[in-house]
Amino acid sequence: DSGVTQTPKHLITATGQRVTLRCSPRSGDLSVYWYQQSLDQGLQFLIQYYNGEERAKGNILERFSAQQFPDLHSELNLSSLELGDSALYFCASSVSGGSTDTQYFGPGTRLTVL
Amino acid sequence: KNEVEQSPQNLTAQEGEFITINCSYSVGISALHWLQQHPGGGIVSLFMLSSGKKKHGRLIATINIQEKHSSLHITASHPRDSAVYICAVRGVTSGSARQLTFGSGTQLTVLP
Repeated sequence: DSGVTQTPKHLITATGQRVTLRCSPRSGDLSVYWYQQSLDQGLQFLIQYYNGEERAKGNILERFSAQQFPDLHSELNLSSLELGDSALYFCASSVSGGSTDTQYFGPGTRLTVL
Repeated sequence: KNEVEQSPQNLTAQEGEFITINCSYSVGISALHWLQQHPGGGIVSLFMLSSGKKKHGRLIATINIQEKHSSLHITASHPRDSAVYICAVRGVTSGSARQLTFGSGTQLTVLP
């Protein structure tokens, strides 16, 4: 158990819908990362937050947004869902978000868009 | 060409064999990570390297910065080592390039 929690574990929804994925980092970790793992693209970095502020953005679509709240939990919002958004979404956390931090991964949310 | 290349893509071994998984990268990095993804999907960080060699139990990871290459070795492999092993690098330039870029993974199956 990494100490990072993600909810829900599974999510099945229809095209065009909007969903919210939630992540709680390890106690004491200030930085949260979101990753997408799809069959054709593998693991890809989406976005990083540090202490409530966006720190870096990767291959995140405009239909996706995220935020980190004062209690440090984070939410990833996916809207106007398409079939291709079906994937495993991982959250990870680290102490400071520095380049030599170890990242601790949550169990992931499996999103299926029908 | 992907920034991070892993080989082999698939590896089947007999229990007890010594296993090597390779990772080559093409960019300057601040750190290289080895991750293990279990059949259920969960990801565990095994090592983070910026130079030299690290050992944890039966796992050994090495990195050669000049050759832009890293290897993950498993000694005395066991069926419970069956998983996908993923190499990821963290770049040195600013912004998203400093985030993790992942290899496509090596599916390891260890037979009893």
